[in-house]
Amino acid sequence: QKEVEQNSGPLSVPEGAIASLNCTYSDRGSQSFFWYRQYSGKSPELIMSIYSNGDKEDGRFTAQLNKASQYVSLLIRDSQPSDSATYLCAVINAGNNRKLIWGLGTSLAVNP
Amino acid sequence: DADVTQTPRNRITKTGKRIMLECSQTKGHDRMYWYRQDPGLGLRLIYYSFDVKDINKGEISDGYSVSRQAQAKFSLSLESAIPNQTALYFCATSDYGFTDTQYFGPGTRLTVL
Repeated sequence: QKEVEQNSGPLSVPEGAIASLNCTYSDRGSQSFFWYRQYSGKSPELIMSIYSNGDKEDGRFTAQLNKASQYVSLLIRDSQPSDSATYLCAVINAGNNRKLIWGLGTSLAVNP
Repeated sequence: DADVTQTPRNRITKTGKRIMLECSQTKGHDRMYWYRQDPGLGLRLIYYSFDVKDINKGEISDGYSVSRQAQAKFSLSLESAIPNQTALYFCATSDYGFTDTQYFGPGTRLTVL
């Protein structure tokens, strides 16, 4: 079992819809959770970070964390074609020298 | 100016050549990382450094070496490049603390013929 799992997609949504991206992790000791966006051939850029259970909103983005169920999700409201990218989930736990453990990413396509 | 810079941005080389990729940062972070990314394999950690005197191997360090010349500079070397080292290479930095957010450079596309 991979430590951080994401559906590879592609996830296809129409412009203006809500895109929902999910990520599960295996280590219950995980403490910090991140969503990065990566355009093809470019470097990952941080979208959201979340550290406690519940929702965290930033503009059109909402991160949701449920430690009991070991999942973290990212909602993108009013999706735009410019949101088309690969979204990477990453997790840090207290051990393991606090290295980021990366998922393989979910490809999102927003159709005009 | 970008906070994390990488040079070169693109490099084509031949099997057996020695290659150095350089990373510089102005974020003042202590921690620096080298990753490679291959299609379908995601980001894989090559080496990481928590300060100038602390260098650690990542999950795929074979065939690579690193040098932390200063807090702001972290170089990755391929002593004898081989074709399966063709990949996109990223440098990243983070500050120490609970958040440990990593910030990435623009990447180097390396092709080994």
